[in-house]
Amino acid sequence: QVQLQESGPGLVKPSQTLSLTCTVSGDSVRSDSYWWSWIRQPAGKGLEWIGRIYASGSTNYSPSLMSRLTISIDTSRNQFSLKLTSVTAADTAVYYCARFLLGGNLRFDPWGQGTLVTVSS
Amino acid sequence: QTVVTQEPSFSVSPGGTVTLTCGLSSGSVSTEYHPSWYQQTPGQTPRTLVYNTNSRSSGVPDRFSGSILGNKAALTITGAQADDESHYYCALYMGGGISMFGGGTKLTVL
Repeated sequence: QVQLQESGPGLVKPSQTLSLTCTVSGDSVRSDSYWWSWIRQPAGKGLEWIGRIYASGSTNYSPSLMSRLTISIDTSRNQFSLKLTSVTAADTAVYYCARFLLGGNLRFDPWGQGTLVTVSS
Repeated sequence: QTVVTQEPSFSVSPGGTVTLTCGLSSGSVSTEYHPSWYQQTPGQTPRTLVYNTNSRSSGVPDRFSGSILGNKAALTITGAQADDESHYYCALYMGGGISMFGGGTKLTVL
């Protein structure tokens, strides 16, 4: 059974960098069948796709976040990570990591439980 | 910039049928966008219902079905039940590695 678990600080000061890690169990981030994704959801609002990374390190980012965003992968630890710089209150959200299946089965599945990150001084 | 559109809210009577849609602010949704649908109840993680337009995820009841209706992707719930009351989100693959979610539909069963 594949499981994803987000971890990282729950509170980040404005203008600082938000850093989160997703640890994958039951599957390998080296697999060529998936991309590994980040998605966020502000309180009471909808889902926003942030970006994704492949085992090779190839990435795709949301155009609206691209200038502040870095997603990386650590195959030795079976993890992938997100760094978002120069955060503001608008970046306060529950952050989810998810596996994105390829081929004819494009979908986000499974999802991590999500972690709340609050941007506040 | 293209936006993925969904009805903000919808209501259905128990046992009734409802169709939620997923469109584009500019253009039409086709199977090439590989629409997928997710159900999220408050405080919970999204659950995959349908992917690749009309494939049901494992364990999803067959009262949930996906399709393309006109120029939009659609999720139809036939025989709605009380526990179908949730938020529903669609996701589209826009190409070039980019995915986008719709704003979500809050479904009320009453």
